[in-house]
Amino acid sequence: AQTVTQSQPEMSVQEAETVTLSCTYDTSESDYYLFWYKQPPSRQMILVIRQEAYKQQNATENRFSVNFQKAAKSFSLKISDSQLGDAAMYFCAYRRINDMRFGAGTRLTVKP
Amino acid sequence: EADIYQTPRYLVIGTGKKITLECSQTMGHDKMYWYQQDPGMELHLIHYSYGVNSTEKGDLSSESTVSRIRTEHFPLTLESARPSHTSQYLCASSEDGRLAAQETQYFGPGTRLLVL
Repeated sequence: AQTVTQSQPEMSVQEAETVTLSCTYDTSESDYYLFWYKQPPSRQMILVIRQEAYKQQNATENRFSVNFQKAAKSFSLKISDSQLGDAAMYFCAYRRINDMRFGAGTRLTVKP
Repeated sequence: EADIYQTPRYLVIGTGKKITLECSQTMGHDKMYWYQQDPGMELHLIHYSYGVNSTEKGDLSSESTVSRIRTEHFPLTLESARPSHTSQYLCASSEDGRLAAQETQYFGPGTRLLVL
């Protein structure tokens, strides 16, 4: 079974600094998708960034970027210039056809 | 925010009651999903649908049932609620396709269920 592991239950970052959230996954497939979702307190889960496994280039969305290491099955999220609004639970997710797996989440705190 | 809605947002109910959690989306997405999420924990897929009259069970066993009579509507029903059903239930939808953009799921705000 495919599993997604987020080894950091909680992380903290100073406003305007950079933080990296870790994610590893287990799969025997070569074609799949990876996602980072953000779930602010009492608000809807929203997509932060996504990556196709067949693409070697790391995805970037404004202040958010990933470090995708396919051989190592690693998919970390880097948040640059952290803002107070970045505080949330972040979930790493794996998807292939009917299989959708989420990690346990990392709670990010942003200190002013 | 995505056009996907869930009602009720919060529900406190007694054991043995029948409940239906509503989920609707206005994006015309073929695929819809139900996840169960305990506080601070990962999401577990309990049901999904790839279109009208299509429903499948996810990898987490659930006593709930779902139906998909209309594209935009994907209700989840518990025939007899129990305290073990206390959790948050998230509904999501996505397009049908092979592109990553189409595989992106859009989530509703969730329903927090407490069964006494």
